[in-house]
Amino acid sequence: GENVEQHPSTLSVQEGDSAVIKCTYSDSASNYFPWYKQELGKGPQLIIDIRSNVGEKKDQRIAVTLNKTAKHFSLHITETQPEDSAVYFCAAIIPNKLVFGAGTILRVKS
Amino acid sequence: DGGITQSPKYLFRKEGQNVTLSCEQNLNHDAMYWYRQDPGQGLRLIYYSQIVNDFQKGDIAEGYSVSREKKESFPLTVTSAQKNPTAFYLCASSIAGSNYGYTFGSGTRLTVV
Repeated sequence: GENVEQHPSTLSVQEGDSAVIKCTYSDSASNYFPWYKQELGKGPQLIIDIRSNVGEKKDQRIAVTLNKTAKHFSLHITETQPEDSAVYFCAAIIPNKLVFGAGTILRVKS
Repeated sequence: DGGITQSPKYLFRKEGQNVTLSCEQNLNHDAMYWYRQDPGQGLRLIYYSQIVNDFQKGDIAEGYSVSREKKESFPLTVTSAQKNPTAFYLCASSIAGSNYGYTFGSGTRLTVV
């Protein structure tokens, strides 16, 4: 069935360092890959997304890369700040459904 | 401001009771979704609806029911048949057919007491 695996489950970095979260997906028909940030007690917020016709997308300190052949995509956060601490979810669109990874708890230590 | 509103934020239910969670959106989105969130398990799809008066089961529909009588509203009922209902419930909406641009509500935390 459809599956999205996400690693690591927790990630601690020092303020100013980079953070990388990786996801793999199982359905080769997936063509849209969003990343969400969820703060405690709130709903997930879309922070960046990428479509299958693009290999990389960047928005200020956040970037996402996609390797369709290997069926994996990654979130890169540079110059991390304490406010980046949250749970991050990757997801892949299988038609009509958004399938989520299990989430990564990111802690940025100041 | 356009958005998606879930109410209540916290809900307590006695065992054996049904309870309904509200989800309203004013984004003019055709599609709406209900997810359940448990620690360490990500978000799991309960039900979704692409159009008014139509909905489909997701991966964990047992013990839940929904209705979609209006475009703006997609209430979720947690029935007494749901064996482990304590969880954080998230509603989302999107433009139908495009499968992107999901907007999430702020969630309802349901606790069975």
